[in-house]
Amino acid sequence: GQQLNQSPQSMFIQEGEDVSMNCTSSSIFNTWLWYKQEPGEGPVLLIALYKAGELTSNGRLTAQFGITRKDSFLNISASIPSDVGIYFCAGCSFASGTYKYIFGTGTRLKVLA
Amino acid sequence: NAGVTQTPKFQVLKTGQSMTLQCAQDMNHNSMYWYRQDPGMGLRLIYYSASEGTTDKGEVPNGYNVSRLNKREFSLRLESAAPSQTSVYFCASTTPRVRAEDTEAFFGQGTRLTVV
Repeated sequence: GQQLNQSPQSMFIQEGEDVSMNCTSSSIFNTWLWYKQEPGEGPVLLIALYKAGELTSNGRLTAQFGITRKDSFLNISASIPSDVGIYFCAGCSFASGTYKYIFGTGTRLKVLA
Repeated sequence: NAGVTQTPKFQVLKTGQSMTLQCAQDMNHNSMYWYRQDPGMGLRLIYYSASEGTTDKGEVPNGYNVSRLNKREFSLRLESAAPSQTSVYFCASTTPRVRAEDTEAFFGQGTRLTVV
């Protein structure tokens, strides 16, 4: 089945460092979403991108919707220990009366204090 | 406002047993989804329901059935559980686009299923 190529698969970084992760796809999407999942919880939405080329920030998070509509990146600045978790990208398209979401395989982030 | 609620949170089954995972949302969303999450595989769509009364197969439907009982509830049934169905199952909901923000899918906390 179709999945998005998300990289890196995992990252170990020092507290205070910046983090960058990205997703690429062979398909075009209308919307890109970035989710964070903490242990024992469901994914929670961080940022949503609705237009090609859009750059959106949410606190220390910045995400961009690629101009080709086939990729997106997420940056986290000045990481802190609570940033630990798994980050998923999701491409969204609308068809047959509903949204179809395709998820990346996740980037597991560990922050070393 | 509870959002998306899944029950049970944990379950252990023996091979061949059956069970139903329950999901309910209180956001008046039209569309609901069932995903499974396996290590290194991200979230894969099992079944979805665009609206009350309709269901469709997703990427990995084999071994599962679903019922959209009403607008609020969407259940996932394993008729004869197999070890390959050991996974974490997530239910999600969203609603057809009225605003751009309606694209956002909301997830439950997950059901951790082990089949031995």
